[in-house]
Amino acid sequence: KQEVTQIPAALSVPEGENLVLNCSFTDSAIYNLQWFRQDPGKGLTSLLLIQSSQREQTSGRLNASLDKSSGRSTLYIAASQPGDSATYLCAVRRLTSYDKVIFGPGTSLSVIP
Amino acid sequence: NAGVTQTPKFQVLKTGQSMTLQCAQDMNHNSMYWYRQDPGMGLRLIYYSASEGTTDKGEVPNGYNVSRLNKREFSLRLESAAPSQTSVYFCASLRPPPSNEKLFFGSGTQLSVL
Repeated sequence: KQEVTQIPAALSVPEGENLVLNCSFTDSAIYNLQWFRQDPGKGLTSLLLIQSSQREQTSGRLNASLDKSSGRSTLYIAASQPGDSATYLCAVRRLTSYDKVIFGPGTSLSVIP
Repeated sequence: NAGVTQTPKFQVLKTGQSMTLQCAQDMNHNSMYWYRQDPGMGLRLIYYSASEGTTDKGEVPNGYNVSRLNKREFSLRLESAAPSQTSVYFCASLRPPPSNEKLFFGSGTQLSVL
């Protein structure tokens, strides 16, 4: 059974700091991994998607990496801003049970001005 | 292009009442999903549908039924609501290959069962 965890559960940083969010999964036989952002009371917005054959993806100040062998992904946010405050979730699609997408519990990020 | 549309946005039920949550997508996606989100537990998969006419159980299917009415619509039904089903419910659809296979979410339904 695929299990996805995220550490830390909550993080508070001063504006301008670079930070790393972690995602771990127990089954390395994944199809892809996706990072999402969720603002309070809102739905989820896709940030980055990494296919199993890729090592990283970048979009603006965001960089996501994937290490299948260790069952880990990281989301790096450069020069954090108050507008980055949100909950960040990772989600994994497995090679088996192909259509199931399993989410981690999320990391709640607060960027202090 | 509305994306994924969920109705209603809010609902209050009494224990034992029934209701159906509606979801529609206009992106011609094959796979659709229903999740529930509870504090500290992330999103848990209730049911999913890989294509029109097929549905499969996820992690927490008990107390729910689904219908994939057509390619666009995927509804979630609570036959006899219980307080444990108080949650935020999200519908999602998956963009198929060869495009970037991202999940697209609706804005959610906040359900309270008293």
